[in-house]
Amino acid sequence: EAQVTQNPRYLITVTGKKLTVTCSQNMNHEYMSWYRQDPGLGLRQIYYSMNVEVTDKGDVPEGYKVSRKEKRNFPLILESPSPNQTSLYFCASSPLGSSGGDEQYFGPGTRLTVT
Amino acid sequence: AQKITQTQPGMFVQEKEAVTLDCTYDTSDPSYGLFWYKQPSSGEMIFLIYQGSYDQQNATEGRYSLNFQKARKSANLVISASQLGDSAMYFCAMREGFGTASKLTFGTGTRLQVTL
Repeated sequence: EAQVTQNPRYLITVTGKKLTVTCSQNMNHEYMSWYRQDPGLGLRQIYYSMNVEVTDKGDVPEGYKVSRKEKRNFPLILESPSPNQTSLYFCASSPLGSSGGDEQYFGPGTRLTVT
Repeated sequence: AQKITQTQPGMFVQEKEAVTLDCTYDTSDPSYGLFWYKQPSSGEMIFLIYQGSYDQQNATEGRYSLNFQKARKSANLVISASQLGDSAMYFCAMREGFGTASKLTFGTGTRLQVTL
């Protein structure tokens, strides 16, 4: 089954304790992306990657790191989480299409609470 | 300026009725795509429908149709014959440029509640 998986699904942590949210896709997609969703703000892009070893900042990259060492994996790293990073996080992937109509496949989401 | 604007934070519709969720967009790129996603209370993002800027006809997918008015820069989602399971948050999103998978820019969403 074609899917994007994220782990963990729920996480409660404390300020400053480094954490990693994993993301993996089995569709051989080149493009992967991380979004955060906050009430009243919709989804905002944090980082994206066009291929292995190619990553770039989205709209809200501060406080986050990513890496793309393998095509299927795109982990999101919070080196020193703060309460304002409490949010719902989505990983998404899509092929590099020529028509623009390729939908982005979303993972199930990770609900992060930083106290 | 907001690239995607959804002006209806919340909407109510009776079961079996049709409902229109509004979305306007702003871009100077002639090549773009518009998407609608559904987010039920369980949280996952479900792709509903896509409209490309060069598509001549409005997109339809089952009970979902997209009312694309290019000159007005609007891409409203129409749900016909609403069902209780349609109660969810709905997001309009835009991708600018073809040829590469660029990011989706999302609106703030509309929460739809279907009533008996």
